[in-house]
Amino acid sequence: DIQMTQSPSSLSASVGDRVTITCRASQSISNYLHWYQQKPGKAPKLLIYAASSLQSGVPSRFSGSGSGTDFTLTISSLQPEDFATYYCQQSYSTPRTFGPGTKVDIK
Amino acid sequence: QVQVQESGPGLVKPSETLSLTCTVSGGSISYYYWSWIRQPAGKGLEWLGRIYTSGGTNYNPSLKSRVTMSVDTSKNQFSVSLTSVTAADTAMYYCAGEKQQMGFDYWGQGALVTVSS
Repeated sequence: DIQMTQSPSSLSASVGDRVTITCRASQSISNYLHWYQQKPGKAPKLLIYAASSLQSGVPSRFSGSGSGTDFTLTISSLQPEDFATYYCQQSYSTPRTFGPGTKVDIK
Repeated sequence: QVQVQESGPGLVKPSETLSLTCTVSGGSISYYYWSWIRQPAGKGLEWLGRIYTSGGTNYNPSLKSRVTMSVDTSKNQFSVSLTSVTAADTAMYYCAGEKQQMGFDYWGQGALVTVSS
């Protein structure tokens, strides 16, 4: 199985801050890396697919980069509705695996 | 607008079989892989497996052959069964659609399943 790690596991930030979350795969996964946002009591929502492509309807303040084993999700200017938990996920192979999540809360 | 909805019992006894169904409306289930993903309260996401409309499946080896998935294309539904459940199987269960390795872009709202006597 491909193991996914994320850092940090949590962070506190203020509205307007630039936020960066890192995801690392245990082996190269090319660009088969996706980012999700999950709010309490809700299903995850796809934000970024194929490492850097913005899902339709997702605000442009979200961006992704990386390939191989190291990936980054950036929120350029944090908004109140962005406080949530973020997960990365690989689709290079089965079983599909997710990172442990990064919780973004209000400073 | 494709909508996805899980259904099934919310309470299952230990050692029994958990069964859930996912219904896709507003579009065809074709051209997508349909997965089951679960999340224990306060924890991360675990992929259980997936099924294609042809009936082809991939399962998570961690479930040690306890999981079986099936599809009914005439009803736009697919299902999961998990045998010999324990309290560790208590979780929110989601069904989700994935197209061409581009991430899960369709999700159900989730079905909470509790394993308890």
